[in-house]
Amino acid sequence: QVQLVQSGAEVKKPGSSVKVSCKSSGGTFNSHGINWMRQARGQGFEWLGGIIPLFGRPNYAQKFQGRVTIIADKSTSTVYLELSSLTFEDTAVYYCARGAEAGAMAAALDCWGQGTLVTVSS
Amino acid sequence: QLVLTQSPSASASLGASVNLTCTLSSGHNNYAIAWHQQQPEKGPRFLMKLNGDGRHSKGDGIPDRFSGSSSGAERYLTISSLQSEDEADYYCQTWGTGAAVFGGGTQLTVL
Repeated sequence: QVQLVQSGAEVKKPGSSVKVSCKSSGGTFNSHGINWMRQARGQGFEWLGGIIPLFGRPNYAQKFQGRVTIIADKSTSTVYLELSSLTFEDTAVYYCARGAEAGAMAAALDCWGQGTLVTVSS
Repeated sequence: QLVLTQSPSASASLGASVNLTCTLSSGHNNYAIAWHQQQPEKGPRFLMKLNGDGRHSKGDGIPDRFSGSSSGAERYLTISSLQSEDEADYYCQTWGTGAAVFGGGTQLTVL
């Protein structure tokens, strides 16, 4: 059974960057899309981007182009999200989730990480 | 533009059934979606994938009380024999051109 485990909570200053990891275990890593979403307190989900580790080329939401980087390390079955130029509005819980269909960047997200709280505070 | 629309809130009594609706934007009637549950202060949990023809496949351990159906642009999540732990936010999600899209979520209250 696939499990996604994310790195721990972060507190960052405005203007800095944050890097969050998502480690996969128990299933096929390379061929399924890993997507990143965030959820501000009391709000819904916002998709930031995703990557299929086998192909290595990420897809980003237009809103975050130039500020987000997603990379996959096949040797450790880990996907990383880096978000730069942080503002207070980036405070949210960040989730990774796996697409159910092999070879598809985004699909039904059938397995979620536990979430990582990123707080931007001066 | 691919958009999912959900009612912000719903309520039903303990032991009763409830239907939650997710509506696809015009021109996207045949899209599949996924339903996710988010209990208070928890992360989301995948419930099921629901195709346009009503066929659905549920996640591991999802009770039989949860089912899905489709009609045109509407995608439904039916929860029967409501229990207190079903009180949660329910989100529909779809995908297109390599991006995931979410509905705004429905907050379900079990009375």
